Amino acid sequence: QKEVEQNSGPLSVPEGAIASLNCTYSDRGSQSFFWYRQYSGKSPELIMFIYSNGDKEDGRFTAQLNKASQYVSLLIRDSQPSDSATYLCAVNTNAGKSTFGDGTTLTVKP
Amino acid sequence: GAVVSQHPSRVICKSGTSVKIECRSLDFQATTMFWYRQFPKQSLMLMATSNEGSKATYEQGVEKDKFLINHASLTLSTLTVTSAHPEDSSFYICSANWQGQETQYFGPGTRLLVL
Repeated sequence: QKEVEQNSGPLSVPEGAIASLNCTYSDRGSQSFFWYRQYSGKSPELIMFIYSNGDKEDGRFTAQLNKASQYVSLLIRDSQPSDSATYLCAVNTNAGKSTFGDGTTLTVKP
Repeated sequence: GAVVSQHPSRVICKSGTSVKIECRSLDFQATTMFWYRQFPKQSLMLMATSNEGSKATYEQGVEKDKFLINHASLTLSTLTVTSAHPEDSSFYICSANWQGQETQYFGPGTRLLVL
């Protein structure tokens, strides 16, 4: 079992729809959780992080964390073609290192 | 804020040569820098963690004698790929943060092609 698992996709949604990206992790000691966006050929850029159970909203993005289920998700509302990218879930242990999932490729169709 | 640069952005070299990649934090003091490698269509794989002034901690399976990491100052870490071979061709990305900061700030990456 991978430490951080994501559906590879591709996930395709129409413009304006909600995109839902999911991530599960195996280490119950994980402390913090991150979502990064990576465009083809570029390095990752941070979208948001979440530490506590529940929802965290930032603009069109909402991260949801459920530590009991070891599950973290990212919702993108009003998806735009510019949101088309690979989304990486990363999980930190208390050692401070990040373990990344393989990423989910999202395509937003105009 | 929290800008990280890498140099060079792209390098092509002959098999057997060594290549040095620099990672700089431009507007903060990076107590920790991370080096990742990413092959096409794959995720980021952590190679090593480097703390300023101490030896890097390498992940399992990463040859420390082949991938030399130096973190001599709070704003600069270097990765040297020694005796590079075609299988070392990859996208090398550094990230950095400071003490107490969980978020990592990524550099733009260096694309290495070994012929």
